[in-house]
Amino acid sequence: NAGVTQTPKFQVLKTGQSMTLQCAQDMNHNSMYWYRQDPGMGLRLIYYSASEGTTDKGEVPNGYNVSRLNKREFSLRLESAAPSQTSVYFCASKGWDIPATNEKLFFGSGTQLSVL
Amino acid sequence: DQQVKQNSPSLSVQEGRISILNCDYTNSMFDYFLWYKKYPAEGPTFLISISSIKDKNEDGRFTVFLNKSAKHLSLHIVPSQPGDSAVYFCAASAMRGGSNYKLTFGKGTLLTVNP
Repeated sequence: NAGVTQTPKFQVLKTGQSMTLQCAQDMNHNSMYWYRQDPGMGLRLIYYSASEGTTDKGEVPNGYNVSRLNKREFSLRLESAAPSQTSVYFCASKGWDIPATNEKLFFGSGTQLSVL
Repeated sequence: DQQVKQNSPSLSVQEGRISILNCDYTNSMFDYFLWYKKYPAEGPTFLISISSIKDKNEDGRFTVFLNKSAKHLSLHIVPSQPGDSAVYFCAASAMRGGSNYKLTFGKGTLLTVNP
């Protein structure tokens, strides 16, 4: 069972370039999330999608766009990359049918992005 | 404003001893709390959680304590093992958000268990 799969694992961009981070989950989860992790900053929510067809901003959405392509896939796009977007990006998912006492997110293994 | 705070960036303990990781929160709407563990080059994995209706939850070597009046929770690992060496994130949610459920994370604490 693959769980949450992110591609690519590593990427180097030049300032101003664009790219899309891909995420797919095979757990039939409704909700999907994009977080970034920076040294000393923990995990910060960029965007999330409560269900197919909906997306909402998180704590740090500026400079990013997202697409919930279908129930399985949630992509994160950087239109014009900046050095401040150098980070590790994590995709996560959650199912609504998990009992209320066991709400937890399942994370992918991350994408290490460097913007020069 | 940081809503979930882990004030200790790192903690070092000896194998077999107790590890205590602390977390404070400021948002009184938070009613569900989780601990995640993260190894280098991997995604965070769920460790243990607690609802605000409880003050303790235990799972094997891991116990989470919640003090709502102090807005404080702690994770106890007994006995600590070298394989427990990782970054531990405290996270919180306001479950009343329903389908808009999302987690707010602390900055993490790097635990090192020395053999």
